[in-house]
Amino acid sequence: EVQLVQSGAEVKKPGESLKISCKGSGYSFSNYWIGWVRQMPGKGLEWMGIIYPGDSETRYSPSFQGQVTISADKSISTAYLQWSSLKASDSAMFFCVRQRGSSPYFDYWGQGSLVTVSS
Amino acid sequence: EIVLTQSPGTLSLSPGERATLSCRASQSVSSNYLAWYQQKPGQAPRLVIYGVFSRATGIPDRFSGSGSGTDFTLTISRLEPEDFAVYYCQQYGSSPLYTFGQGTKLEI
Repeated sequence: EVQLVQSGAEVKKPGESLKISCKGSGYSFSNYWIGWVRQMPGKGLEWMGIIYPGDSETRYSPSFQGQVTISADKSISTAYLQWSSLKASDSAMFFCVRQRGSSPYFDYWGQGSLVTVSS
Repeated sequence: EIVLTQSPGTLSLSPGERATLSCRASQSVSSNYLAWYQQKPGQAPRLVIYGVFSRATGIPDRFSGSGSGTDFTLTISRLEPEDFAVYYCQQYGSSPLYTFGQGTKLEI
């Protein structure tokens, strides 16, 4: 069974750093693109970026380029989303997603990681 | 950047009725790379339709997708209580690679 299991909720202060994780299981992690999607409170879905764990090729949405870093460690089947200096406006739910093979759709979603940034 | 506009924002229907949700793109969607997702409160979204027409695994046949170019539709033929949720369309193409519509809330 394919599963994406994300790290738990985080409460951080502005200016702090953060790295959240997404562990894949039940499939060949290296061979599927893994992306991140943001959902701000009460709002819609925004695609942030995507990584191919096999070679770490990464693509970002222009809206998130330079704001976050996406990485992956294929040896432990885990993808990461990190911030170097959080802002209050980074508070949101973040979902990791698996791209459906070569088709540009997201067939599996993690359960979400809630990030709250508040002083 | 391709912008996806969904309508209506909220659709109020009853179980057994037919639902028609619209997704309009600001430019033609390449290779019909258009999908629909369902999100229930407190849950992650779930893929419902991909490639405009194809149902994802486990999706009942009362869900169907249609359209081409810039106009796409998700139809639910006979609403079941579990179908009431927010639906998002998504396209793949030029930068940003993936964009979502703002969502349609299907409510009882």
